[in-house]
Amino acid sequence: DAKTTQPNSMESNEEEPVHLPCNHSTISGTDYIHWYRQLPSQGPEYVIHGLTSNVNNRMASLAIAEDRKSSTLILHRATLRDAAVYYCILRDVGETSGSRLTFGEGTQLTVNP
Amino acid sequence: DAGVTQSPTHLIKTRGQQVTLRCSPKSGHDTVSWYQQALGQGPQFIFQYYEEEERQRGNFPDRFSGHQFPNYSSELNVNALLLGDSALYLCASSLSGAWSQPQHFGDGTRLSIL
Repeated sequence: DAKTTQPNSMESNEEEPVHLPCNHSTISGTDYIHWYRQLPSQGPEYVIHGLTSNVNNRMASLAIAEDRKSSTLILHRATLRDAAVYYCILRDVGETSGSRLTFGEGTQLTVNP
Repeated sequence: DAGVTQSPTHLIKTRGQQVTLRCSPKSGHDTVSWYQQALGQGPQFIFQYYEEEERQRGNFPDRFSGHQFPNYSSELNVNALLLGDSALYLCASSLSGAWSQPQHFGDGTRLSIL
């Protein structure tokens, strides 16, 4: 599976936008970019995913570079409830790996009041 | 719409014992994956079950085994427990063939080995 690189930690202030970067220079043409987050004492929660175009949903936006070697998860107005570990994952949909998710160590986001 | 449910939420065992963890997938899902999450680490894939068979396996020893039932629920069994097996065990469900779609996770079983 292609590897992703994320900063270990980031800090933000409440009600400000947050941009969480992810590098994936070895991404293949069939890799989807998925973001999950994990709040304390909970299982991972799906946030957003995309293939080539930028994506928006009620939780966040995903900006994908034109060469697809990097992406950015955007939280438009951070709240205290957004404090979590954010994982950027490449989802290999090839025949041999199916729906396995390969997690890295993620980015610990701290939101200051 | 019930999400993924896991039981028990917490469990304490001693070295050498055996443990069984249980998972009910989200309604409409037919594939169950299990992950192990050590403290401070990201989840690591153990194996995946679909149509009552193990379809994929991560880098875990044979002490880790599983089962899927006709109603798609699943069990994770770990034999000869080691101290290093202490972790959060997560179950995730998904729909076969919809590989680009998200997996849905339960809140896990916290297993402590004394």
